[in-house]
Amino acid sequence: EAQVTQNPRYLITVTGKKLTVTCSQNMNHEYMSWYRQDPGLGLRQIYYSMNVEVTDKGDVPEGYKVSRKEKRNFPLILESPSPNQTSLYFCASSSRWDSYNSPLHFGNGTRLTVT
Amino acid sequence: AQSVAQPEDQVNVAEGNPLTVKCTYSVSGNPYLFWYVQYPNRGLQFLLKYITGDNLVKGSYGFEAEFNKSQTSFHLKKPSALVSDSALYFCAVRDTGSARQLTFGSGTQLTVLP
Repeated sequence: EAQVTQNPRYLITVTGKKLTVTCSQNMNHEYMSWYRQDPGLGLRQIYYSMNVEVTDKGDVPEGYKVSRKEKRNFPLILESPSPNQTSLYFCASSSRWDSYNSPLHFGNGTRLTVT
Repeated sequence: AQSVAQPEDQVNVAEGNPLTVKCTYSVSGNPYLFWYVQYPNRGLQFLLKYITGDNLVKGSYGFEAEFNKSQTSFHLKKPSALVSDSALYFCAVRDTGSARQLTFGSGTQLTVLP
C-alpha cells in the first residue's frame, strides 16, 4: 500500500531534550515536506526537499533541522525543543516538487508536546 | 506573495442539504488551487484541484469546486451533504508564476447534522 509513515504518533518531551520524528514514503517520490498544524493557522511549511541531498527552508524553519540522505526518508530533528514547538506535525510527499500535477500524500501526523 | 483565506472557521449544514465551503486566494500570476480534507486523527487527503480549463472541477466523494477568476474564489460544494462529510477542509494555492510551494488556508470545520 502506498503510504507516508510517520513515527511516533504521539510524543511528550521536556524542553531541551533532542528528538527526531521519522518520515518514510514507499512511493519513490522526489519531493518531501514537513508541516506543522496549529489551531487557526492552518498548515505552515517547516522544511522541504526536492530530492536527495536537496533541502530548503519553508515558512517556519527556526528550531528545526532536516536531512535527506535517502529518497524514502526525511526525518525532522528538534535539537533543543521548546514549548512553542508543541504542535501537530505532518510529513508529506509527492512525485515531483511542482506538486500541482501530483497531489501531496500526507502521513497521519505526530502530536508533539514539549513541557 | 501568495495567500489563501477561508473566511469561515465552522460551517454547519443539515444532512441532505447542499454545502459550500468558501475559499478566496491572492496570487500575482495564475493560480493552481486545491482542496484537501482531514478526518480526525488522520493526515490530509486530496479532494480535487484546479489547474486550467473548466471552471467547475469535480473531485472525490461527490465534491466539486467552482473557480471564479474575477472573484478570486474557489468554493467547495456538494449538492447533498452526508454526516460522513463532517471533517476539516483546507484550501491551498500555488502561484504558477513564481512560487514553489503550496500555501494552505486556516481550515474550515464542516459539521453535517443528522
